[in-house]
Amino acid sequence: EAGVVQSPRYKIIEKKQPVAFWCNPISGHNTLYWYLQNLGQGPELLIRYENEEAVDDSQLPKDRFSAERLKGVDSTLKIQPAELGDSAVYLCASSLRTFGGEQFFGPGTRLTVL
Amino acid sequence: GESVGLHLPTLSVQEGDNSIINCAYSNSASDYFIWYKQESGKGPQFIIDIRSNMDKRQGQRVTVLLNKTVKHLSLQIAATQPGDSAVYFCAENRYSGAGSYQLTFGKGTKLSVIP
Repeated sequence: EAGVVQSPRYKIIEKKQPVAFWCNPISGHNTLYWYLQNLGQGPELLIRYENEEAVDDSQLPKDRFSAERLKGVDSTLKIQPAELGDSAVYLCASSLRTFGGEQFFGPGTRLTVL
Repeated sequence: GESVGLHLPTLSVQEGDNSIINCAYSNSASDYFIWYKQESGKGPQFIIDIRSNMDKRQGQRVTVLLNKTVKHLSLQIAATQPGDSAVYFCAENRYSGAGSYQLTFGKGTKLSVIP
């Protein structure tokens, strides 16, 4: 069974440019998460989806970050415009359910903003 | 504030020895904890979990101990192997209301296995 797929794996952009990350969760997983991971730190939740509904986006900086999961499967996370401080790894995870469900993580997208 | 943290940022052990990675938490209402392993260039991988109604749980070569009195949990790895080299995170799966849970990670401990 394929795991969580993310693309691209690496992205280098100049500040003020837009960038988008894509995630395909494990088949059948209704819950999808986007995390931000800074170097040497644990992942921090940005947004959680239950099917196509964003049920927890309190940590998402909405002035520049947006996300969507239109058909309740794939998801896209966008930053516009990117800032130097956005350089980090963006992780996507999915789980069968939210209640105590094991989260399976993708490999992440490493973003470098110059 | 409430947080999940680790005592040591790095740990070096000899191959074959046992490893112990510690984690402190401050939210006494937390009822579910998870240990994740993250290898370089990969996402975190589930190792083992434990609920607050348990003191100990064992897996294959790994044991998690939970001490609710001092809000401390540890991950023990038996007969540490080179493949165990990674960063280990403890995470608190905290109930956030309305049937929802949020995973809060600590900073991580980097385990290096010396051949």
